[in-house]
Amino acid sequence: AQSVTQLGSHVSVSEGALVLLRCNYSSSVPPYLFWYVQYPNQGLQLLLKYTTGATLVKGINGFEAEFKKSETSFHLTKPSAHMSDAAEYFCAVSYGGATNKLIFGTGTLLAVQP
Amino acid sequence: GAVVSQHPSWVICKSGTSVKIECRSLDFQATTMFWYRQFPKQSLMLMATSNEGSKATYEQGVEKDKFLINHASLTLSTLTVTSAHPEDSSFYICSARPEGIPLGAFFGQGTRLTVV
Repeated sequence: AQSVTQLGSHVSVSEGALVLLRCNYSSSVPPYLFWYVQYPNQGLQLLLKYTTGATLVKGINGFEAEFKKSETSFHLTKPSAHMSDAAEYFCAVSYGGATNKLIFGTGTLLAVQP
Repeated sequence: GAVVSQHPSWVICKSGTSVKIECRSLDFQATTMFWYRQFPKQSLMLMATSNEGSKATYEQGVEKDKFLINHASLTLSTLTVTSAHPEDSSFYICSARPEGIPLGAFFGQGTRLTVV
């Protein structure tokens, strides 16, 4: 079955440090890839997505992600963490089809220490 | 643009009663809407996909008679939790895909349902 794996349910970084959140997918067919952020008791906000073309994708709030087909990965990075980045981050994939439904990873809670 | 609004944002109901949650796309038409359920500290689980004017497609294991979905217009989908029980308590999130946009979706702010 197609799935999304996010390594590390909790990640803690210091303010100003590099943020790296990992995402791997399992399928031989490259999916469409998404990263969403969720703040407490809120819905999800799209950070960035990869569909086709350039494999390094830049998103909002200084985040970017690189699609690596050989590694079946789509890790999310940000050079310098801000306190406001503390939130839950979800990687998701879509394989097209009639509904193009999203399959979500289990999420990574990012904590930013002062 | 691309705002999806859910109402209510939280609701408490008694066991055995029914609760309706609305999902509206405020500035675009959505032919497809999705309903998710999220348990504490867990990911989003897709419950069903609804297309305007047709019956919803439910994911395996989701009771269609318990979670009634109606997508009567291009801007409104509703989820009704019938005969709610405490185990139905959860965070319900809807998302809507703009007409003509094949990928991704915009999410509502979620509804916290507590059944007592």
